[in-house]
Amino acid sequence: DAKTTQPPSMDCAEGRAANLPCNHSTISGNEYVYWYRQIHSQGPQYIIHGLKNNETNEMASLIITEDRKSSTLILPHATLRDTAVYYCIVRVGRSGSARQLTFGSGTQLTVLP
Amino acid sequence: DTEVTQTPKHLVMGMTNKKSLKCEQHMGHRAMYWYKQKAKKPPELMFVYSYEKLSINESVPSRFSPECPNSSLLNLHLHALQPEDSALYLCASSQQGVGNYGYTFGSGTRLTVV
Repeated sequence: DAKTTQPPSMDCAEGRAANLPCNHSTISGNEYVYWYRQIHSQGPQYIIHGLKNNETNEMASLIITEDRKSSTLILPHATLRDTAVYYCIVRVGRSGSARQLTFGSGTQLTVLP
Repeated sequence: DTEVTQTPKHLVMGMTNKKSLKCEQHMGHRAMYWYKQKAKKPPELMFVYSYEKLSINESVPSRFSPECPNSSLLNLHLHALQPEDSALYLCASSQQGVGNYGYTFGSGTRLTVV
């Protein structure tokens, strides 16, 4: 699976959009981009994933560049409860097999009041 | 039921003890995983079970022994652990087959070895 690079930390004001970047310049055509977050001392929580199109769900939006070498997770209206470590993971899975999820260092997002 | 349940939430054990961590899910997921997470570090994969069979062991010491008795249950048996094994142990599950699915994680067991 391709390696990802994320800034170690970011701050965001409450109520503003939080934009978390991820670089995955070695991504291959069949690899998906996943985002998870981990609030302190809890298990990681799935947020969103995508292949090449932009995706949106009730939690966030995922913008993937046309060349797929980078992506941005957008939390449209950050709240204090969004303070967490955010992990960007690139993964390919063989059909029918269990797919490993390998975590990088992630970005510590702190939402400030 | 959309949860992965891990018990106990906290465990303190001596280096000569034998204990087990339990993980349960009722989402019909056929892949289950154990991760270990040290403080301020990302989770590290330990084991992967696929259709109740061990498919990946990430060179984990034999003092950690996984078991998958059925498709809903995953255990991690602990014996003769060291203080450096103190960590948060996370269980996760996912669907298998064609397509890409997210993982569902439990809230973890905080293990302290004394």
